[in-house]
Amino acid sequence: DIQMTQSPSSLSASVGDRVTITCRASQSISIFLNWYQQKPGKAPKLLIYTASSLQSGVPSRFSGSGSGTDFILNISNLQPEDFATYYCQQSFRTPFTFGPGTKMDFK
Amino acid sequence: QVQLQESGPRLVKPSQTLSLTCTVSGDSFNSGTYYWTWIRQPAGKGLEWIGRIYTSGNTNYNPSLKSRVTISVDTSRNQFSLRLNSVTAADTAVYYCARDALGLGVGGRHIDYWGQGILVTVSS
Repeated sequence: DIQMTQSPSSLSASVGDRVTITCRASQSISIFLNWYQQKPGKAPKLLIYTASSLQSGVPSRFSGSGSGTDFILNISNLQPEDFATYYCQQSFRTPFTFGPGTKMDFK
Repeated sequence: QVQLQESGPRLVKPSQTLSLTCTVSGDSFNSGTYYWTWIRQPAGKGLEWIGRIYTSGNTNYNPSLKSRVTISVDTSRNQFSLRLNSVTAADTAVYYCARDALGLGVGGRHIDYWGQGILVTVSS
Protein backbone atom coordinates (compact mmCIF):
# COMPACT_ATOMS: atom_id res chain seq x y z
CA ASP A 1 0.00 0.00 0.00
CA ILE A 2 1.01 3.61 -0.52
CA GLN A 3 1.44 5.34 2.83
CA MET A 4 0.39 8.96 3.24
CA THR A 5 1.67 11.35 5.89
CA GLN A 6 0.56 14.88 6.70
CA SER A 7 2.09 17.74 8.58
CA PRO A 8 1.36 19.33 10.85
CA SER A 9 -1.06 16.99 12.62
CA SER A 10 -2.70 20.03 14.15
CA LEU A 11 -2.42 23.77 13.84
CA SER A 12 -3.91 26.89 15.35
CA ALA A 13 -4.77 29.86 13.21
CA SER A 14 -6.83 33.02 13.12
CA VAL A 15 -9.41 34.38 10.74
CA GLY A 16 -7.64 36.07 7.85
CA ASP A 17 -4.49 33.94 8.13
CA ARG A 18 -2.91 31.93 5.35
CA VAL A 19 -2.11 28.32 6.21
CA THR A 20 -0.23 25.53 4.50
CA ILE A 21 -0.75 21.81 5.01
CA THR A 22 1.71 19.31 3.58
CA CYS A 23 1.04 15.77 2.41
CA ARG A 24 3.70 13.25 1.45
CA ALA A 25 3.34 9.90 -0.29
CA SER A 26 5.62 6.91 0.32
CA GLN A 27 6.18 6.62 -3.43
CA SER A 28 5.49 8.74 -6.47
CA ILE A 29 1.79 9.18 -7.17
CA SER A 30 2.16 11.63 -10.07
CA ILE A 31 -0.61 14.20 -9.50
CA PHE A 32 -3.23 11.76 -8.21
CA LEU A 33 -3.80 13.46 -4.90
CA ASN A 34 -7.06 14.76 -3.46
CA TRP A 35 -7.87 17.01 -0.50
CA TYR A 36 -10.97 16.80 1.67
CA GLN A 37 -12.37 18.89 4.50
CA GLN A 38 -14.30 17.30 7.33
CA LYS A 39 -16.29 18.97 10.08
CA PRO A 40 -17.40 17.16 13.24
CA GLY A 41 -20.27 14.76 12.66
CA LYS A 42 -20.24 15.33 8.91
CA ALA A 43 -18.99 13.45 5.88
CA PRO A 44 -15.82 14.73 4.24
CA LYS A 45 -16.15 17.26 1.44
CA LEU A 46 -13.97 17.28 -1.66
CA LEU A 47 -11.92 20.45 -2.05
CA ILE A 48 -9.17 19.68 -4.56
CA TYR A 49 -8.61 16.75 -6.93
CA THR A 50 -5.63 15.74 -9.05
CA ALA A 51 -3.40 17.92 -6.87
CA SER A 52 -4.57 21.31 -8.08
CA SER A 53 -8.07 21.16 -9.60
CA LEU A 54 -10.62 23.06 -7.55
CA GLN A 55 -13.89 21.20 -7.07
CA SER A 56 -16.94 23.05 -8.30
CA GLY A 57 -18.39 25.32 -5.65
CA VAL A 58 -15.25 25.42 -3.50
CA PRO A 59 -13.97 28.94 -2.76
CA SER A 60 -10.87 30.07 -4.60
CA ARG A 61 -9.04 30.71 -1.32
CA PHE A 62 -8.33 26.96 -1.38
CA SER A 63 -5.51 25.89 -3.67
CA GLY A 64 -3.34 22.83 -4.13
CA SER A 65 -0.03 22.05 -5.71
CA GLY A 66 2.59 19.36 -6.01
CA SER A 67 3.48 16.22 -7.86
CA GLY A 68 5.42 13.05 -7.28
CA THR A 69 5.57 12.57 -3.53
CA ASP A 70 5.09 16.06 -2.07
CA PHE A 71 1.88 18.08 -2.07
CA ILE A 72 0.57 21.24 -0.47
CA LEU A 73 -2.87 22.57 0.40
CA ASN A 74 -2.97 26.31 0.86
CA ILE A 75 -5.85 28.18 2.43
CA SER A 76 -5.65 31.95 2.22
CA ASN A 77 -7.74 34.49 4.12
CA LEU A 78 -9.09 31.91 6.56
CA GLN A 79 -12.79 32.15 7.25
CA PRO A 80 -14.61 30.89 10.36
CA GLU A 81 -16.12 28.00 8.39
CA ASP A 82 -12.65 26.73 7.40
CA PHE A 83 -11.80 25.45 10.87
CA ALA A 84 -12.01 21.71 10.36
CA THR A 85 -9.89 18.63 9.75
CA TYR A 86 -8.21 18.19 6.38
CA TYR A 87 -7.28 14.90 4.76
CA CYS A 88 -5.24 14.08 1.70
CA GLN A 89 -5.91 10.92 -0.32
CA GLN A 90 -3.94 9.27 -3.07
CA SER A 91 -5.82 7.87 -6.06
CA PHE A 92 -2.80 6.50 -7.92
CA ARG A 93 -3.27 2.89 -6.87
CA THR A 94 -5.83 1.00 -4.82
CA PRO A 95 -6.28 0.92 -1.90
CA PHE A 96 -6.80 4.67 -2.16
CA THR A 97 -5.21 5.54 1.17
CA PHE A 98 -5.79 8.68 3.19
CA GLY A 99 -3.41 10.74 5.23
CA PRO A 100 -3.95 10.85 9.02
CA GLY A 101 -5.46 14.32 8.91
CA THR A 102 -4.61 17.86 9.99
CA LYS A 103 -6.90 19.41 12.56
CA MET A 104 -7.14 23.17 12.44
CA ASP A 105 -8.59 25.18 15.29
CA PHE A 106 -8.79 28.78 16.43
CA LYS A 107 -5.67 30.32 17.89
CA GLN B 1 -28.25 15.94 -7.68
CA VAL B 2 -26.83 12.67 -6.39
CA GLN B 3 -27.73 11.45 -2.93
CA LEU B 4 -26.44 8.39 -1.11
CA GLN B 5 -28.02 6.84 1.98
CA GLU B 6 -26.58 4.08 4.13
CA SER B 7 -28.87 1.63 5.89
CA GLY B 8 -28.48 -1.48 8.00
CA PRO B 9 -28.13 -2.70 11.58
CA ARG B 10 -26.35 -0.31 13.88
CA LEU B 11 -25.38 -2.97 16.40
CA VAL B 12 -23.58 -6.17 15.47
CA LYS B 13 -22.32 -8.87 17.81
CA PRO B 14 -18.66 -9.92 17.74
CA SER B 15 -17.84 -12.70 15.26
CA GLN B 16 -21.00 -11.95 13.27
CA THR B 17 -21.38 -10.25 9.89
CA LEU B 18 -21.84 -6.53 9.37
CA SER B 19 -24.17 -5.81 6.44
CA LEU B 20 -24.89 -2.38 5.03
CA THR B 21 -26.67 -1.13 1.92
CA CYS B 22 -26.25 2.15 0.12
CA THR B 23 -29.14 3.49 -1.94
CA VAL B 24 -28.21 5.98 -4.63
CA SER B 25 -30.67 8.50 -6.01
CA GLY B 26 -30.10 10.43 -9.20
CA ASP B 27 -29.35 9.18 -12.66
CA SER B 28 -25.64 8.44 -12.36
CA PHE B 29 -25.70 4.93 -10.90
CA ASN B 30 -25.47 3.06 -14.16
CA SER B 31 -23.20 5.57 -15.80
CA GLY B 32 -19.99 4.11 -17.07
CA THR B 33 -17.67 6.46 -15.21
CA TYR B 34 -18.33 5.86 -11.54
CA TYR B 35 -17.18 3.40 -8.95
CA TRP B 36 -19.21 2.93 -5.77
CA THR B 37 -17.13 2.96 -2.63
CA TRP B 38 -17.18 2.13 1.07
CA ILE B 39 -15.03 4.08 3.55
CA ARG B 40 -15.04 3.89 7.33
CA GLN B 41 -13.91 6.07 10.22
CA PRO B 42 -13.53 4.94 13.83
CA ALA B 43 -14.50 7.55 16.37
CA GLY B 44 -11.86 10.26 16.62
CA LYS B 45 -9.68 8.63 13.98
CA GLY B 46 -8.92 8.92 10.29
CA LEU B 47 -10.52 7.57 7.15
CA GLU B 48 -9.99 4.02 5.90
CA TRP B 49 -10.81 3.04 2.31
CA ILE B 50 -12.56 -0.35 2.39
CA GLY B 51 -13.20 -1.02 -1.29
CA ARG B 52 -15.21 -0.17 -4.37
CA ILE B 53 -17.35 -1.74 -7.06
CA TYR B 54 -18.13 -0.92 -10.66
CA THR B 55 -21.63 -1.56 -11.98
CA SER B 56 -20.22 -4.50 -13.96
CA GLY B 57 -19.39 -6.12 -10.62
CA ASN B 58 -15.66 -5.53 -10.82
CA THR B 59 -14.28 -4.88 -7.33
CA ASN B 60 -11.17 -3.61 -5.58
CA TYR B 61 -10.63 -4.24 -1.89
CA ASN B 62 -8.26 -3.01 0.77
CA PRO B 63 -5.82 -5.90 1.35
CA SER B 64 -6.04 -5.33 5.09
CA LEU B 65 -9.73 -6.33 4.96
CA LYS B 66 -9.90 -8.39 1.80
CA SER B 67 -10.35 -11.75 3.48
CA ARG B 68 -13.45 -10.50 5.30
CA VAL B 69 -15.07 -8.07 2.85
CA THR B 70 -17.56 -8.47 0.04
CA ILE B 71 -19.03 -5.58 -1.92
CA SER B 72 -21.91 -6.29 -4.27
CA VAL B 73 -24.18 -4.27 -6.53
CA ASP B 74 -27.84 -4.37 -7.51
CA THR B 75 -28.23 -2.13 -10.54
CA SER B 76 -31.99 -2.68 -10.72
CA ARG B 77 -32.39 -1.03 -7.33
CA ASN B 78 -29.56 1.53 -7.60
CA GLN B 79 -27.96 -0.06 -4.55
CA PHE B 80 -24.62 -1.45 -3.52
CA SER B 81 -23.82 -3.34 -0.37
CA LEU B 82 -21.05 -4.13 2.09
CA ARG B 83 -20.58 -7.33 4.03
CA LEU B 84 -17.81 -7.61 6.61
CA ASN B 85 -17.40 -10.99 8.26
CA SER B 86 -16.07 -12.00 11.66
CA VAL B 87 -16.30 -8.51 13.14
CA THR B 88 -14.58 -7.39 16.32
CA ALA B 89 -14.70 -4.21 18.37
CA ALA B 90 -12.03 -2.81 16.05
CA ASP B 91 -14.65 -2.70 13.29
CA THR B 92 -16.77 -0.20 15.24
CA ALA B 93 -16.86 2.90 13.08
CA VAL B 94 -18.92 5.29 11.01
CA TYR B 95 -19.33 3.67 7.61
CA TYR B 96 -19.71 5.92 4.59
CA CYS B 97 -20.82 4.99 1.11
CA ALA B 98 -19.56 7.28 -1.60
CA ARG B 99 -19.24 7.91 -5.33
CA ASP B 100 -15.79 7.65 -6.91
CA ALA B 101 -15.68 9.85 -10.00
CA LEU B 102 -13.20 10.35 -12.78
CA GLY B 103 -11.85 13.85 -13.10
CA LEU B 104 -11.72 15.82 -16.30
CA GLY B 105 -8.46 16.26 -18.12
CA VAL B 106 -5.82 13.90 -16.77
CA GLY B 107 -8.48 11.72 -15.23
CA GLY B 108 -7.64 11.22 -11.58
CA ARG B 109 -10.27 9.61 -9.42
CA HIS B 110 -11.82 11.27 -6.38
CA ILE B 111 -14.80 10.97 -4.06
CA ASP B 112 -17.29 13.67 -5.04
CA TYR B 113 -20.43 12.53 -3.20
CA TRP B 114 -20.73 10.94 0.23
CA GLY B 115 -23.56 9.50 2.26
CA GLN B 116 -24.18 10.95 5.69
CA GLY B 117 -22.56 7.93 7.33
CA ILE B 118 -23.92 5.28 9.66
CA LEU B 119 -22.41 4.39 13.02
CA VAL B 120 -22.06 0.65 13.46
CA THR B 121 -21.09 -0.63 16.88
CA VAL B 122 -19.71 -4.10 17.44
CA SER B 123 -20.66 -5.24 20.90
CA SER B 124 -22.26 -8.17 22.66
